[in-house]
Amino acid sequence: AQSVTQPDIHITVSEGASLELRCNYSYGATPYLFWYVQSPGQGLQLLLKYFSGDTLVQGIKGFEAEFKRSQSSFNLRKPSVHWSDAAEYFCAGWVLSMFSGGYNKLIFGAGTRLAVHP
Amino acid sequence: EAGVAQSPRYKIIEKRQSVAFWCNPISGHATLYWYQQILGQGPKLLIQFQNNGVVDDSQLPKDRFSAERLKGVDSTLKIQPAKLEDSAVYLCASSFAVEQFFGPGTRLTVL
Repeated sequence: AQSVTQPDIHITVSEGASLELRCNYSYGATPYLFWYVQSPGQGLQLLLKYFSGDTLVQGIKGFEAEFKRSQSSFNLRKPSVHWSDAAEYFCAGWVLSMFSGGYNKLIFGAGTRLAVHP
Repeated sequence: EAGVAQSPRYKIIEKRQSVAFWCNPISGHATLYWYQQILGQGPKLLIQFQNNGVVDDSQLPKDRFSAERLKGVDSTLKIQPAKLEDSAVYLCASSFAVEQFFGPGTRLTVL
């Protein structure tokens, strides 16, 4: 079955430290992959996306992610975390819906909650 | 450019009551989505509209949930009657192509 997995439910880092959030996907076709961030009481904001081409993609707020087909992974990274990065992060994959006659839909991982210590 | 608008932002009801949520997508976006996000989980697609037609409602509990998108613009999602397990954030999103733009959500608490 098509799925997106985020192995880490909660991560805590110190401000200024580097960050890596893990995401694994499970489906055969070339995946379209996304990372979203959700701050408390807010909707989801797109950080970055991968469709094809360069496997290292740059996003907003200093985030980047690397697509590794051999590991079925699309991990999110940031070299130096700021206190304002504390939020919940969702990895998502765009998959072909079996019910929509050719339309695609997003499936989300369960999310990783990031806490930042001063 | 105005974003996706949702109302109300918060709603508290008792079980067996009915509730409705409203969404106004970004102008020009043909595709509209409703997601349910239960605490501690990622959003789950309930229903997807292309203009005013439904293209995927496979995960919509149709015995109690209904949604419509009249005139292919704004949309309403209704729950009748509500159950305790319906407590969640209901997110609306819209898209023109691949990228989806999300509204702030409606937090529903069912007591």
